Amino acid sequence: ENVLTQSPATLALSPGERATLSCVASQNIRNNYLAWYQHKPGLAPRLLIYDGSRRATGTPDRFSGSGSGTDFTLTISRLEPEDFAVYYCQQYDWSPPNTFGGGTKVEIK
Amino acid sequence: QVQLVQSGAEVIKPGSSVKVSCKTSGGTFSGFAFAWVRQAPGQGLEWMGGIIPVYETTKYTQSFQDRLMITADDATGTVYMQLSSLRSEDTAIYYCARVPRGYFSYYFDSWGQGTLVTVSS
Repeated sequence: ENVLTQSPATLALSPGERATLSCVASQNIRNNYLAWYQHKPGLAPRLLIYDGSRRATGTPDRFSGSGSGTDFTLTISRLEPEDFAVYYCQQYDWSPPNTFGGGTKVEIK
Repeated sequence: QVQLVQSGAEVIKPGSSVKVSCKTSGGTFSGFAFAWVRQAPGQGLEWMGGIIPVYETTKYTQSFQDRLMITADDATGTVYMQLSSLRSEDTAIYYCARVPRGYFSYYFDSWGQGTLVTVSS
């Protein structure tokens, strides 16, 4: 099983600031088969990024994904009020279970 | 735009079973895979298992192998998740999610709204 470790667990920032979220895999992820999801309480998770860096339909361009191999990053260039949420990475290179990271909560400072 | 609509919250006694439904609309049912993902209180997301309806293929993680059954009804475009021998640790929100391919190893492009299952005597 490919274990994903996200850091930090919590990120306290103000609107307008830049957020940098990390996702480190225990084993190499080929073809950048990594996705990022945004999850708000009471709502369904929402796909933001797939294949490491491709924005899903409707994802604002302030969200960007980067990285390869075992190290991946989600960057939110300027936080908007609606961006405060929990973010999960998920790998889909290795056979199911398609493991998720433990999540990073982006909260208002 | 595909939508996944799940059945409502359940309160289940320990040792019993629960069956949660996930009805799709606005998109093709066959040709895609569907999975169930749960989130226990204060925890992250956990992939439980999935189904590819057109091939009638299922896959379960080892943690749930013995008590999870995922089925699909092509006629209604509905996927079901049945979890048996429930215990308090199974209290969680259960989500269905669609894989935009006919295999499991891919991302989820649509999610249901979630179903809260509470296991309590």
